[in-house]
Amino acid sequence: SQKIEQNSEALNIQEGKTATLTCNYTNYSPAYLQWYRQDPGRGPVFLLLIRENEKEKRKERLKVTFDTTLKQSLFHITASQPADSATYLCAPPSYNTDKLIFGTGTRLQVFP
Amino acid sequence: GAVVSQHPSRVICKSGTSVKIECRSLDFQATTMFWYRQFPKQSLMLMATSNEGSKATYEQGVEKDKFLINHASLTLSTLTVTSAHPEDSSFYICSAVPRGGEQYFGPGTRLTVT
Repeated sequence: SQKIEQNSEALNIQEGKTATLTCNYTNYSPAYLQWYRQDPGRGPVFLLLIRENEKEKRKERLKVTFDTTLKQSLFHITASQPADSATYLCAPPSYNTDKLIFGTGTRLQVFP
Repeated sequence: GAVVSQHPSRVICKSGTSVKIECRSLDFQATTMFWYRQFPKQSLMLMATSNEGSKATYEQGVEKDKFLINHASLTLSTLTVTSAHPEDSSFYICSAVPRGGEQYFGPGTRLTVT
């Protein structure tokens, strides 16, 4: 079955550094992949969508890569700020549908 | 744009009662809405897909008679948890999909069943 893996351990980095979060998927090849931010007690907020024919996508301080050979997406936040502290979710669609499969998310903590 | 609201944001009910949660797309029409459930420190789990004008499709293991979904219009879907029990206490989140677009999520509803 399709499986999404994100590092469940929290990522702690210092303000100003680049945060890199990893999403690995197995047993299929999604046509696209979405990244969301979720704050405690809130619904996810859409950040970026990257398609299989796109190697990289950027939005302000965010950058997402999609390596279909490695079956991996990397999510980068450059010049990180304490306000970036949240849980980041990777969500590709399920095989042949638009239903999203969510990873468990990686909690990012940016300290001053 | 692409704002999704949920009401209520928090609800506490007694065991055996029913609770209705509303999901609205405020500035776009959504032919499809999804309902998710999230337990503490866990991932979002899809419960059902709500399609305007037709019956919802439920994921495996989700009881359709317990979680009633009605997608009455292109901007409103409701989830009713019938005969709620403490194990139904969770964070319920809906999402709406503009035609051909990505999913936009509501702020979630915290349900506590006592």
